[in-house]
Amino acid sequence: EIVLTQSPTTMAASPGEKVTLNCLASSSVSYMNWYQQKSGASPKLWIYGTSNLASGVPNRFSGSGSGTSYSLTISSMEAEDVATYYCLQLSSYPPFTFGSGTKLEIK
Amino acid sequence: EVQLVESGGGLVQPGRSLKLSCAASGFTFSNYYMAWVRQAPTKGLEWVASITNSGGSTYYRDSVKGRFTISRDNAKSTLYLQMDSLRSEDTATYYCTRGRTFDYWGQGVMVTVSS
Repeated sequence: EIVLTQSPTTMAASPGEKVTLNCLASSSVSYMNWYQQKSGASPKLWIYGTSNLASGVPNRFSGSGSGTSYSLTISSMEAEDVATYYCLQLSSYPPFTFGSGTKLEIK
Repeated sequence: EVQLVESGGGLVQPGRSLKLSCAASGFTFSNYYMAWVRQAPTKGLEWVASITNSGGSTYYRDSVKGRFTISRDNAKSTLYLQMDSLRSEDTATYYCTRGRTFDYWGQGVMVTVSS
């Protein structure tokens, strides 16, 4: 089973600040998906295939990485970005595995 | 518009059974793999099971293998999760999600296993 470790667990960023969320895989994966989950809501696909933004996702978001190291970057933090972000590997299964999430707050 | 609507959740005693349904609309259901993902209260997301578009192949996480059965009725555009021998650790919100990329999610249905 591939274990995904997300860091940091929680972070707070100021409006306009650049934010980077990390996802480290225990073994190499072909690509990574990211999901945004706001409090009390269902998860939403946010980034797929490592770097492709899902429909409606603002272009201040970007994704990158390869092998065992992946990241989601927000170029300029906004209040609406407050959420928990999960990475998900779909290239080696079963099982598909999620990271434990990064909770992003605003200062 | 893609819609996934789960139903069938509730409070159930340990060892009992429950069957969840997910009604799909807004896309050709038979063209897509489908999956169930759960989230225990205040916890993260956990993949439970997946099924191919024809229903010919199914995949499960180890902790539910032999207890849960994923199935689908393409004529009714509906996904199912039969949950038997339920345990307290199965308590969670269960989401159905579409495709190989989990691109659309339902609103979720709560399952509470408690005596």
